[in-house]
Amino acid sequence: EVQLVESGGGVVRPGGSLRLSCAASGFTFDRTAMSWVRQAPGKGLEWVSGINWNGVSTGYADSLKGRFIISRDNAKNSLYLQMNSLTVEDTASYHCVRHDGPDWVWYFDLWGRGTLVTVSS
Amino acid sequence: DIQMTQSPSSLSASVGDRVTITCRASQGIMNFLAWYQQKPGNLPSLLIYAASTLRSGVPSRFSGSGFGTDFTLTISSLQPEDVATYYCQQYYTGPRPLSFGGGTKVEIK
Repeated sequence: EVQLVESGGGVVRPGGSLRLSCAASGFTFDRTAMSWVRQAPGKGLEWVSGINWNGVSTGYADSLKGRFIISRDNAKNSLYLQMNSLTVEDTASYHCVRHDGPDWVWYFDLWGRGTLVTVSS
Repeated sequence: DIQMTQSPSSLSASVGDRVTITCRASQGIMNFLAWYQQKPGNLPSLLIYAASTLRSGVPSRFSGSGFGTDFTLTISSLQPEDVATYYCQQYYTGPRPLSFGGGTKVEIK
């Protein structure tokens, strides 16, 4: 079955860190670019970060100000997002998403169910 | 960054009506635009890419058009199952960030 399963979310204090993971299955992960997209409760979609098929090229939303790092391990069919210096504005469901091709500057064709990150004191 | 502005933010229409949603880019993006549908409680799903190419399996009542800065998503005959929020997304040349429009919520009158 083609699927993306996220993990690693939870409740964290402002200024804290979290590492999200995404396990991919059912498709050729090492040929496909991936991204993280977040959706705050009751709000719209916000692209967070993307990485190309081999991890060489990455991109980030300007609003993150260098606090997040995306990475992948093709041997493990896994995508990661290291989130540092978290603020309440980072509270959202974080979705692992697949691009329809090897480059992250592209559209998305598969979404994971998401992992909820809550930043609260 | 490229800003994407959708209008209207919400609309209510009758079953069978023709519905049009607009998405405007803050600079030209050629045809590097996708549309997604997010039904209540569900994940977003790709409808259209390259501004006008319908994804396989998407009903033909959905269509997209536009080039440069102005784009439209049209539902030719609104059905009850089309109740959802619709988002546009630009994927113009990198490494500039990707971006979504704010969404348009479609309801049945």
